Amino acid sequence: GENVEQHPSTLSVQEGDSAVIKCTYSDSASNYFPWYKQELGKGPQLIIDIRSNVGEKKDQRIAVTLNKTAKHFSLHITETQPEDSAVYFCAASINNNNDMRFGAGTRLTVKP
Amino acid sequence: DGGITQSPKYLFRKEGQNVTLSCEQNLNHDAMYWYRQDPGQGLRLIYYSQIVNDFQKGDIAEGYSVSREKKESFPLTVTSAQKNPTAFYLCASSIVGQGIQYFGAGTRLSVL
Repeated sequence: GENVEQHPSTLSVQEGDSAVIKCTYSDSASNYFPWYKQELGKGPQLIIDIRSNVGEKKDQRIAVTLNKTAKHFSLHITETQPEDSAVYFCAASINNNNDMRFGAGTRLTVKP
Repeated sequence: DGGITQSPKYLFRKEGQNVTLSCEQNLNHDAMYWYRQDPGQGLRLIYYSQIVNDFQKGDIAEGYSVSREKKESFPLTVTSAQKNPTAFYLCASSIVGQGIQYFGAGTRLSVL
């Protein structure tokens, strides 16, 4: 089955700097890659996603890149703010739903 | 206000006891999911359902049971057979085939 690895497990940056979180997946048939943000004591919230027919997607300060050949995808957050501090999860899915597999998460801390 | 509601927020289980976690959604989604989250690990799928009166085991179904009698509701029972139930439990829902999952706020289960 699909296996998703996520790095780093913790990341600390200064406010205004960029943050990059990387994930690799094992199944080349995976075609949907969402990123979720989880704040303390809450459920994960989708922040951006990408499908395998595109290589990059941006939404304001957040971008995701996908390299299908290398089977890895990354989350980029620019101009980080303290409210970006949270745990971020990547995931990969073949059939868009019940087969979704999550990475172990990255705890991002943005220091003011 | 549309969304997914999980209750209770905190739950304590005595040894040998079954406990049931509630998950209700008013998003008119056909698919619903239960995940378990442990510290430092990604979300692991317990059960999922894509239609009323039908559900499938996920990766870690042992010691858990579910029912799907109504489209809006997908309760999870943690049985006494689950020897390590302490975790954060997350319910999610989605439109079948569309990938994006919407999560509830979670239930934290502890053992007394």
